Amino acid sequence: GQSLEQPSEVTAVEGAIVQINCTYQTSGFYGLSWYQQHDGGAPTFLSYNALDGLEETGRFSSFLSRSDSYGYLLLQELQMKDSASYFCALPVDKLIFGTGTRLQVFP
Amino acid sequence: EAGVVQSPRYKIIEKKQPVAFWCNPISGHNTLYWYLQNLGQGPELLIRYENEEAVDDSQLPKDRFSAERLKGVDSTLKIQPAELGDSAVYLCASSLGLGLADNEQFFGPGTRLTVL
Repeated sequence: GQSLEQPSEVTAVEGAIVQINCTYQTSGFYGLSWYQQHDGGAPTFLSYNALDGLEETGRFSSFLSRSDSYGYLLLQELQMKDSASYFCALPVDKLIFGTGTRLQVFP
Repeated sequence: EAGVVQSPRYKIIEKKQPVAFWCNPISGHNTLYWYLQNLGQGPELLIRYENEEAVDDSQLPKDRFSAERLKGVDSTLKIQPAELGDSAVYLCASSLGLGLADNEQFFGPGTRLTVL
């Protein structure tokens, strides 16, 4: 089966950098995805890593190490609107989601 | 382009009553998913459709849940009868259906169900 572990909560201040870690277990690997979900909102796709290394998309970057079964999402220049839950997920003909990390950004 | 549309957004019912949720995916998306999300947890798949065929319904409690996607476009998820533990957000998502590593799914806003 598949499983993913994330910290339950992270706090930071505006303008800071925060890293959200994700470790996973899976028998077949097709990449690691990240989704953002604001309270009461829909999950929205942020990034996808199929290969080792860093993928950068604006203020957000995602990293993958397949040998360590580990990835992280890096959020830079934090803004209040970044306060949300962040999920890593394994795309295996469906999405297997982690339990999510709630990020709170303070002024 | 319109996103995934779901209705209703909120539903409050008494236990043992039936309830139905509707989803219209993004035009051209062959794959449609229904997920259940409990508070503080990640979404969990209930059923996945490829066009009108349910290709993964292993997590759907078939004694009370049913779903259909008759013309391969919009879909309905039904619960009959509802139980207190069914209170959750029901999310619909769609994707182009590119295969196993279909990494980007587009989610609707969900239906928040409260069973009293």
